[in-house]
Amino acid sequence: RKEVEQDPGPFNVPEGATVAFNCTYSNSASQSFFWYRQDCRKEPKLLMSVYSSGNEDGRFTAQLNRASQYISLLIRDSKLSDSATYLCVVNGLTGGGNKLTFGTGTQLKVEL
Amino acid sequence: DAGITQSPRHKVTETGTPVTLRCHQTENHRYMYWYRQDPGHGLRLIHYSYGVKDTDKGEVSDGYSVSRSKTEDFLLTLESATSSQTSVYFCAISSGTGRSYGYTFGSGTRLTVV
Repeated sequence: RKEVEQDPGPFNVPEGATVAFNCTYSNSASQSFFWYRQDCRKEPKLLMSVYSSGNEDGRFTAQLNRASQYISLLIRDSKLSDSATYLCVVNGLTGGGNKLTFGTGTQLKVEL
Repeated sequence: DAGITQSPRHKVTETGTPVTLRCHQTENHRYMYWYRQDPGHGLRLIHYSYGVKDTDKGEVSDGYSVSRSKTEDFLLTLESATSSQTSVYFCAISSGTGRSYGYTFGSGTRLTVV
């Protein structure tokens, strides 16, 4: 089983739609959680951290369910510029060091 | 943004030749990482460093070695390149603490082994 699992998509949504991505992780000792965004042929960039209480940044809302080992990202009022791959990332501190484990990503395509 | 650069940006090399990729950072971060990214596998950790001359293996370290003789430079060497090492290689640094913790990635090196 992969440490971090995501639906690869693609999710094709019209502009203005609300879309949600989910992610599950296998290491119950994981302590930090993130969503990264990666544009085609570019490096990943931090979108937002995910906190147990849930957190919001503009149109983006992230939630964490530790009991179910599940992370979600909600994007409201989708823009064409939101088209990208969204990577679910966890920090399990396995083997020492602040190493992050990445999911394979969920592709989002926002269309006119 | 943290200053992190990778070189070269693109490289084509022949099977069996050694290849060295360079990662350079300008902000004195302690931790540096090398990842490779392949379709269907996502980003996988090759090696990481937690200080000068302090390095450790990641999940896909076979066929790779690293060196960190200075805080600012982290080198990744493919000792004898194989076609399976054709990939996009990303270097990253970790910075911040608590809620501001995160990785910053370099722009990547696209390596093709023919």
